[in-house]
Amino acid sequence: DQQVKQNSPSLSVQEGRISILNCDYTNSMFDYFLWYKKYPAEGPTFLISISSIKDKNEDGRFTVFLNKSAKHLSLHIVPSQPGDSAVYFCAASANGAGSYQLTFGKGTKLSVIP
Amino acid sequence: DSGVTQTPKHLITATGQRVTLRCSPRSGDLSVYWYQQSLDQGLQFLIQYYNGEERAKGNILERFSAQQFPDLHSELNLSSLELGDSALYFCASSPTGMDTGELFFGEGSRLTVL
Repeated sequence: DQQVKQNSPSLSVQEGRISILNCDYTNSMFDYFLWYKKYPAEGPTFLISISSIKDKNEDGRFTVFLNKSAKHLSLHIVPSQPGDSAVYFCAASANGAGSYQLTFGKGTKLSVIP
Repeated sequence: DSGVTQTPKHLITATGQRVTLRCSPRSGDLSVYWYQQSLDQGLQFLIQYYNGEERAKGNILERFSAQQFPDLHSELNLSSLELGDSALYFCASSPTGMDTGELFFGEGSRLTVL
């Protein structure tokens, strides 16, 4: 049973436009959420995170929104750049930021078209 | 470069064989995590070591084992290999004393079982 779901395997966006990547979770014990980005032949790299006590966290062009009642989070990238083309993984933890036993989604491949 | 080193990068072997994957964490990081990414799957947490001791176990098969040595490098041993064990195996480390949820991943070891 997948506890973290990324229902869109891929997404294409024009350069300069907004990219919205979605993630749903089923485990109500999750209290910390992260997004990782992965380029081919590289390991995932941390992008942004959010605690369940917040509903929004922003870092430059990246904003993560959390809707706890809907068990849904989204990553917004504005404006999208060709270098953002990568696979994005949503991840969740059940023990706050101090737990690194993360549950990952399957990923969404973002393609930003110049 | 995350600072986490994994060897080998690629490994091809036959069913029934045994392999060892090696990981060196970032300098100063005491925790090491192993994750498995099978085809079209999210990363799955296998096991965590902290300063030489097993700290947490995830979905790790009994045919798999790991250890962390005094110099903090870790090895993941996979035995009686099956076709389904073909996957990317990632090692990660976390900053000591900082609960950020951020993991630093190596580039992964791609295992192909024929």
